[in-house]
Amino acid sequence: DADVTQTPRNRITKTGKRIMLECSQTKGHDRMYWYRQDPGLGLRLIYYSFDVKDINKGEISDGYSVSRQAQAKFSLSLESAIPNQTALYFCATSDPGLASSEQFFGPGTRLTVL
Amino acid sequence: GEDVEQSLFLSVREGDSSVINCTYTDSSSTYLYWYKQEPGAGLQLLTYIFSNMDMKQDQRLTVLLNKKDKHLSLRIADTQTGDSAIYFCAESMGNTPLVFGKGTRLSVIA
Repeated sequence: DADVTQTPRNRITKTGKRIMLECSQTKGHDRMYWYRQDPGLGLRLIYYSFDVKDINKGEISDGYSVSRQAQAKFSLSLESAIPNQTALYFCATSDPGLASSEQFFGPGTRLTVL
Repeated sequence: GEDVEQSLFLSVREGDSSVINCTYTDSSSTYLYWYKQEPGAGLQLLTYIFSNMDMKQDQRLTVLLNKKDKHLSLRIADTQTGDSAIYFCAESMGNTPLVFGKGTRLSVIA
């Protein structure tokens, strides 16, 4: 019973297609994040949301958009996918009330754009 | 700006100690973290240290923080093959998203 789930886990698509990656959480956290991971580049922040009405751009938001449909759901969209968006995408959540302020990660979505 | 640096690769023999190093630039960091990513999986928090601490020990893991040099290290004692993974250092200013390093791939040789 994962606390942070991502769908799909794997996706192969073609250049120019619109893609949506979904993230759901049962942790009751207000804060949610989208990162992408590329080999040798670590995790880079795409967008984040501190509550349902809050959306903020991260380091690499160009070519992406997000929607925070509810406290538990945060979706990432690629309006027109391109090959250099091939990467591993992670959703994360956090609760500012926790002493550690840690982020909890989903299992990731591997996206390949041909 | 914020920047977290760590070496990309480390190779150790099973049973030896591993030391993974990290430097950060923002002196206002509140927490510093070590996350572990096993193959095909997401990131899991290994340990964290509050910025007013120098050291934290948790079983085989020892975290050392040198605030003056902005240097963080993770020591894994008696390294096992199951410790093979990518280890990420991250910093937080408390009310902002974590900033991650590029990750250190630890390979344990049997």
